[in-house]
Amino acid sequence: QVQLQQWGAGLLKPSETLSLTCAVYGGSFSDYYWSWIRQSPGEGLEWIGEIDHRGSPKYNPSLKNRVSISVDTSLNHFSLRLTSVTAADTAVYYCARKTWFLVRLDSWGQGTLVTVSA
Amino acid sequence: QSVLTQPPSASGPPGQGVTISCSGSSSNIGTNAVSWYQQLPGTAPKLLIYDNSRRPSGVPDRFSGSKSGTSASLAISGLQSEDEADFFCAAWDDSLNGWVFGGGTKVTVL
Repeated sequence: QVQLQQWGAGLLKPSETLSLTCAVYGGSFSDYYWSWIRQSPGEGLEWIGEIDHRGSPKYNPSLKNRVSISVDTSLNHFSLRLTSVTAADTAVYYCARKTWFLVRLDSWGQGTLVTVSA
Repeated sequence: QSVLTQPPSASGPPGQGVTISCSGSSSNIGTNAVSWYQQLPGTAPKLLIYDNSRRPSGVPDRFSGSKSGTSASLAISGLQSEDEADFFCAAWDDSLNGWVFGGGTKVTVL
């Protein structure tokens, strides 16, 4: 059974860069898309972007000029970078696995609370 | 403002049922399958329904999903106290080329 385990800095100052990594344990890494999703306090979910095992990313246009997602297939890891953060980026960030057939987000990481505060 | 529209809350006594609606548009629900996620307090979302009405193994058949046009619904029958959670609908959006989500519905068992 696949497990996603994520980590990264939880407290940032405005203008700093958010950096999170998600490790995938179990299951195939190459047969899925790997996603990042965030949830602001008391709010709904927002898709940030995804990447496939070949390293081809897709990003939410609202974040496109600040976000990058990368993959390391040798370690079965994928990572998120979000530059120039502001308080509006304070959220719980989740990594998740997306299937390409009968599309769904079928496994999620435990979530990382990232707080942006001066 | 979420792209998919859900009621903020739903409730019912133990043993009764509730239905949660999810309204979208032709670029998301109208074209692509809907999935539903259950989020218990303080935990990550968990896949509950996919491909509009399929249940992953381990999800009780008290949970069922349906879709018609640009709307979808999640029905929970025989409410139990452990069903108290937030429920989110989601679909791939062809205009965004990404996922869109509902704002979530908090289900309370009275």
